[in-house]
Amino acid sequence: TQLLEQSPQFLSIQEGENLTVYCNSSSVFSSLQWYRQEPGEGPVLLVTVVTGGEVKKLKRLTFQFGDARKDSSLHITAAQPGDTGLYLCAGAGSGGGADGLTFGKGTHLIIQP
Amino acid sequence: NAGVTQTPKFRVLKTGQSMTLLCAQDMNHEYMYWYRQDPGMGLRLIHYSVGEGTTAKGEVPDGYNVSRLKKQNFLLGLESAAPSQTSVYFCASSFNRGNTGELFFGEGSRLTVL
Repeated sequence: TQLLEQSPQFLSIQEGENLTVYCNSSSVFSSLQWYRQEPGEGPVLLVTVVTGGEVKKLKRLTFQFGDARKDSSLHITAAQPGDTGLYLCAGAGSGGGADGLTFGKGTHLIIQP
Repeated sequence: NAGVTQTPKFRVLKTGQSMTLLCAQDMNHEYMYWYRQDPGMGLRLIHYSVGEGTTAKGEVPDGYNVSRLKKQNFLLGLESAAPSQTSVYFCASSFNRGNTGELFFGEGSRLTVL
């Protein structure tokens, strides 16, 4: 079973601060996705990273896939209250099955005005 | 665009009762999934389908049944509800299989079993 550990579990910071959340595993993933979930809604895809060492930017969010494709990070610059939510990483195994996504337990992020 | 629609959004059941959650998607996706989300446990796959008429077990299938009679619909059934099935249930669909394809989620169905 492939496991994804996310850290921290909870993070509360002031508006304007920077933060990084991590998604780690001992397993290799063929790709990794990051989702954001707001209260009362389903997760929404932010980004998919596929290549080891890949860096993708989405406005103030920077996503990195580890060189060995076992870990990923999400860095937010100058956090805004609108960034508040549950951030989930999901890894796709190399097996290629339709059920190939393994979700981490998520990081609850609160940005205080 | 409706996307993925789940009904009902809220339901309270007594232990032993049965119910069906309906998921409908209008994106012509082949793949559909049912997850449950519990505090501290993340999203866990219950059952999934790779096309009309097909279903398969996920990580936590016990106590649930599913059917995919039409491509756009994926039903999740609880034949005899138990308190351990109290959870928020999410349906998702994707054009490609989960490895690289984006999952589109519904808004969730909150189920309480007393």
